[in-house]
Amino acid sequence: DQQVKQNSPSLSVQEGRISILNCDYTNSMFDYFLWYKKYPAEGPTFLISISSIKDKNEDGRFTVFLNKSAKHLSLHIVPSQPGDSAGYFCAAVPTGTASKLTFGTGTRLQVTL
Amino acid sequence: EPEVTQTPSHQVTQMGQEVILRCVPISNHLYFYWYRQILGQKVEFLVSFYNNEISEKSEIFDDQFSVERPDGSNFTLKIRSTKLEDSAMYFCASRRTGSSYNSPLHFGNGTRLTVT
Repeated sequence: DQQVKQNSPSLSVQEGRISILNCDYTNSMFDYFLWYKKYPAEGPTFLISISSIKDKNEDGRFTVFLNKSAKHLSLHIVPSQPGDSAGYFCAAVPTGTASKLTFGTGTRLQVTL
Repeated sequence: EPEVTQTPSHQVTQMGQEVILRCVPISNHLYFYWYRQILGQKVEFLVSFYNNEISEKSEIFDDQFSVERPDGSNFTLKIRSTKLEDSAMYFCASRRTGSSYNSPLHFGNGTRLTVT
């Protein structure tokens, strides 16, 4: 089941620069997308979300972009900070099934000094 | 900030044994979930629970699995006869409403289940 894919298992970025994490999906029934941050040995923590009626949502240093025609979303973190080093998971929700999240495999972000 | 709490943090059990994983969701939340993550794989949905009944379950959630809300605060996942492939991190989650659109899912820190 590869409905939500994060093709980069890891990403390294210098402190202060932009981190761009990518996510692709195949199911056109998905209409709501979320990003979760996860530290080892902890549960996922909600970061930011976007509805399919929008193409951008911003919250402080975090911006999520959605390209519906390409079935692609990305999370931008700017400026990146060492505390951002964690796993980042995108998740999608299909229309009419508001409860069930389908997660990607995650990208481990390392922000270096 | 209120949080979802899970106990134990790590459970080791022998194959064929029953195991119960416990969760205390956030107090004003009404919708409850179990997800799991096998090492190196993605987080997978198991089951959702509302109003004392299962509202949705995945193909992973077979007859060996059951969920219960035995009182007003606890939410449990039972695996009747554990298999080696049940070894995973199990996450409990809850939300205030049934929709992701205005009520993000809050996860606990998980129980690492190791079946030997």
